[in-house]
Amino acid sequence: SAVISQKPSRDICQRGTSLTIQCQVDSQVTMMFWYRQQPGQSLTLIATANQGSEATYESGFVIDKFPISRPNLTFSTLTVSNMSPEDSSIYLCSVLLQGAGNTIYFGEGSWLTVV
Amino acid sequence: AQSVTQPDIHITVSEGASLELRCNYSYGATPYLFWYVQSPGQGLQLLLKYFSGDTLVQGIKGFEAEFKRSQSSFNLRKPSVHWSDAAEYFCAVVPWGASGGSNYKLTFGKGTLLTVNP
Repeated sequence: SAVISQKPSRDICQRGTSLTIQCQVDSQVTMMFWYRQQPGQSLTLIATANQGSEATYESGFVIDKFPISRPNLTFSTLTVSNMSPEDSSIYLCSVLLQGAGNTIYFGEGSWLTVV
Repeated sequence: AQSVTQPDIHITVSEGASLELRCNYSYGATPYLFWYVQSPGQGLQLLLKYFSGDTLVQGIKGFEAEFKRSQSSFNLRKPSVHWSDAAEYFCAVVPWGASGGSNYKLTFGKGTLLTVNP
């Protein structure tokens, strides 16, 4: 498995501001993913982040709203821009470990409340 | 359309009772199958996974799951539930044949919330 650390773990943000979430992995990984979990809902994939290339966004998510960086094989950031109360969610970083069965592991999540 | 269905939104069991959580998928070919658990205030933890081979898969915390191709199901079971098992459980799939690249994406069911009564 992998140890995945996210910062911040929780935050309360003002409407209209932006917040950057950091994700650090304890091993080098090619694929990192960012998910959103709205209150009481399941997980939805925001984007896939590959090192050295632009992130690939899922339908309904755009780079201007959720810019992602992936500067190396152990780190990524997700920014939630110009936040509104509808952005109140858990944002989860995940990584793909390849080998004896490709498996995706998750961090503890970043719980954002927008007021 | 491809989908993952968890028919039970909320299940309540007594501590010590057996548990079965249902998961059905609708895909052209059998996908790769996963169960994750999310305890209150926590991220997701992988319980078990199925790629091929033996259709009965053992996982952590005493959980197991059985893949049934004829029913397009991958149900999660535990013979005796503990109070610490109270959590939300998610079934998830990756389409068969997805490589380890950017197409290796999880699609989640809506989750089943498990409550354990003392």
